[in-house]
Amino acid sequence: NAGVTQTPKFRVLKTGQSMTLLCAQDMNHEYMYWYRQDPGMGLRLIHYSVGEGTTAKGEVPDGYNVSRLKKQNFLLGLESAAPSQTSVYFCASRVWAKEKLFFGSGTQLSVL
Amino acid sequence: KQEVTQIPAALSVPEGENLVLNCSFTDSAIYNLQWFRQDPGKGLTSLLLIQSSQREQTSGRLNASLDKSSGRSTLYIAASQPGDSATYLCAVRRTPSNAGGTSYGKLTFGQGTILTVHP
Repeated sequence: NAGVTQTPKFRVLKTGQSMTLLCAQDMNHEYMYWYRQDPGMGLRLIHYSVGEGTTAKGEVPDGYNVSRLKKQNFLLGLESAAPSQTSVYFCASRVWAKEKLFFGSGTQLSVL
Repeated sequence: KQEVTQIPAALSVPEGENLVLNCSFTDSAIYNLQWFRQDPGKGLTSLLLIQSSQREQTSGRLNASLDKSSGRSTLYIAASQPGDSATYLCAVRRTPSNAGGTSYGKLTFGQGTILTVHP
């Protein structure tokens, strides 16, 4: 099992560019999450999904969109990147009946 | 709004020492509390999970306690080793609302304690 895999691991964008972060899990988990981690702010939830075809907003959703077309994949999109979106992004997943979260290794994004 | 605070922000100890990391939260209506470990450049690894009805959980040299009434949790690490060096984060999950749906599953994270265990 690869667990939770995030691609890419690093990316540098210019303001206004767009990109998609991919999260893939091979554990057949129903729930998937996107977090961002900033110094002094802890992890904050961006969007989450409780199943294929469903998504919901977290606490900091502005400027991001997500899609869950397949159960194993959860995509995070930035349509027009801003410097405030410079952060480390983590994907996580879990089984609906279990509390334990499994995290990917993160994507470090810099927006210049 | 739930707020989670971890003290100290950083801790440096010699190998072999027993240590305690602290986590406090402002809203006692929690479903559970988790402790995570994060190594540099890596994601988070779940260490221990305490349900709201439990007082403590143990795994090897780690022991986590929960006192809901006072809004506190501690992570005790016995006989620390250099390999324990990492950032430790606690996170609380809110009790699901009667309406269900969006409130369930949301974790509120603390900012973490950076632990360094030197030989």
